[in-house]
Amino acid sequence: EIVLTQSPATLSLSPGERATLSCRASQSVSSYLAWYQQKPGQAPRLLIYDASKRTTGLPARFSGSESGTDFTLTISSLEPEDFAVYYCQQRSNWPYTFGQGTKVEIK
Amino acid sequence: QVQLQESGPGLVKPSETLSLTCTVSGGSLNSYYWSWIRQPPGKGPEWIGYVYYTGSSNSNPSLKSRVTMSVDTSRNQFSLKLSSMTATDTALYYCARGSILDYWGQGILVTVSS
Repeated sequence: EIVLTQSPATLSLSPGERATLSCRASQSVSSYLAWYQQKPGQAPRLLIYDASKRTTGLPARFSGSESGTDFTLTISSLEPEDFAVYYCQQRSNWPYTFGQGTKVEIK
Repeated sequence: QVQLQESGPGLVKPSETLSLTCTVSGGSLNSYYWSWIRQPPGKGPEWIGYVYYTGSSNSNPSLKSRVTMSVDTSRNQFSLKLSSMTATDTALYYCARGSILDYWGQGILVTVSS
């Protein structure tokens, strides 16, 4: 099973700041990595898939990148609605797996 | 707009079988995989398995012997059965589309308790 390790567990930032979230895979997942945002009481929402492809309507401040088995979700300038938990997920090898999440909280 | 809605019991007794159904509206089951995901309170999601519209399926090895999935294309529904429930199966259960989970249900909280 591929293990996805997200860091940091919690990111404390202010609106307007840049957020950089990391996800490291225990082995190659090619580019088959997605990012989700989850707010309290809601289902996760797909943001990025195949490492860097943005979903329709996703604000341009969200971007994804990859370098080998390291993946990054960047939020260039945090808006109040961006404070949430973010998960990465791989669909390269079954069972598909999620990371443990990074909480982006207001500083 | 594709919408998914889970239905089933919110409370299951230990050792019983959980049965959940996901109803899809605004789109067809055809040509997609349909997934079941669960999320224990305060934890990250776990993939239970997926079923193709043809009925073929695959489940997480950690749960494999306990999981049965099926589709009913005439009703635009797919279903999950998870047997031998224990307290560790208490979680929010979601249905979602595909392996890139672009559409999700709202989730149903299933508690295992006598």
